[in-house]
Amino acid sequence: NAGVTQTPKFRILKIGQSMTLQCAQDMNHNYMYWYRQDPGMGLKLIYYSVGAGITDKGEVPNGYNVSRSTTEDFPLRLELAAPSQTSVYFCASSSRRSTDTQYFGPGTRLTVL
Amino acid sequence: AQSVTQPDIHITVSEGASLELRCNYSYGATPYLFWYVQSPGQGLQLLLKYFSGDTLVQGIKGFEAEFKRSQSSFNLRKPSVHWSDAAEYFCAVVITGANNLFFGTGTRLTVIP
Repeated sequence: NAGVTQTPKFRILKIGQSMTLQCAQDMNHNYMYWYRQDPGMGLKLIYYSVGAGITDKGEVPNGYNVSRSTTEDFPLRLELAAPSQTSVYFCASSSRRSTDTQYFGPGTRLTVL
Repeated sequence: AQSVTQPDIHITVSEGASLELRCNYSYGATPYLFWYVQSPGQGLQLLLKYFSGDTLVQGIKGFEAEFKRSQSSFNLRKPSVHWSDAAEYFCAVVITGANNLFFGTGTRLTVIP
């Protein structure tokens, strides 16, 4: 049982480049989330999804896009990378509600230079 | 403004000593309350959560937390700390009707032999 997996683990981007952070879960969870964690700060929600085909913005959605075509996958897209997007990105999932336990992936460390 | 506050950025304790990590929230109603732990280089793992009922909740790894409505607090405790408890600890809330966790800024715990 892999839980929540994220790829890549590390990535360095140049300003203006694009990339997709991959997230997959094998627990058949309905809810999925993308958070970013900046040094000395708590996690902040970027986007979330309550099921396939349904996504919504969180606290800090600017500069990001998401899609949810399947229950398992929830990729996060950065279209024009900026230094302000240097962060650690965590994907998480929960079964049916946001109050259910959220299971986190190991994170992707992204640096934009 | 609504917020989750963890007033201690960094705490150092000796192995075997007791531990208390503070968390205060500022919301109109009692939110759902959580404590997560993040080991170095890892994702977050749920330690415990409080929704209602008994205000003292037990979690994994020997941790407990007490909800005090009058103080808007949800402090995490452990009677005897082990070296493996060294990690970052996050208090988080889900507001009624919301779809995501709001995190505090975290407390980093160092355990000395």
